[in-house]
Amino acid sequence: QSALTQPASVSGSPGQSITISCTGTSSDVGGYNYVSWYQQHPGKAPKLMIYEVSNRPSGVSNRFSGSKSGNTASLTISGLQAEDEADYYCSSYTSSSTLFFGTGTKVTVL
Amino acid sequence: EVQLVESGGGLVQPGGSLRLSCAASGFTFSSYWMSWVRQAPGKGLEWVANIKQDGSEKYYVDSVKGRFTISRDNAKNSLYLQMNSLRAEDTAVYYCARDLDTAMADWGQGTLVTVSS
Repeated sequence: QSALTQPASVSGSPGQSITISCTGTSSDVGGYNYVSWYQQHPGKAPKLMIYEVSNRPSGVSNRFSGSKSGNTASLTISGLQAEDEADYYCSSYTSSSTLFFGTGTKVTVL
Repeated sequence: EVQLVESGGGLVQPGGSLRLSCAASGFTFSSYWMSWVRQAPGKGLEWVANIKQDGSEKYYVDSVKGRFTISRDNAKNSLYLQMNSLRAEDTAVYYCARDLDTAMADWGQGTLVTVSS
């Protein structure tokens, strides 16, 4: 089993919205509503942004939202801000009772 | 406030062993699944293993099966990762994390493991 597929990079201007995709299979993303998203700034530990496809932990801005269709999950960041520039990773539970991360997406704020 | 503090990383020769520890505080440790996640230098995140609240269930990524063992001591609020037969490709920052319904809700600062001769 290999990592979930994400675009290597996504960019947008301040105030714009961007969407990051995360494509897996019916054995992971498509089979369970256990997709999570993480933000990681350079040299820092990851931070949970979305869990169970579309739920935000307490303290996470409502500019971050998640969704899923079939084998592809998505993270949308609306009202893009400079502080959103970071790496983003999706994660999914799998049919083997393991977890897999996506390949990661670098978000650049132009 | 949830705190997770990893320790035990360092330089080890290929084929060697290392035991990582994670000291937890600020939450009821015995109530949560816990995970280890690693990140090779300049690379993405890789989930390594997780363990159920009472230690009765453990799961591993294929690349570490038979070499790594996850364990916990709920009386000491501690999580462990015993790493044997280490390879160069195991070089990474290792994070411990508190699980919340398969999501990793809280993370430590990480400990660096370098496998090199």
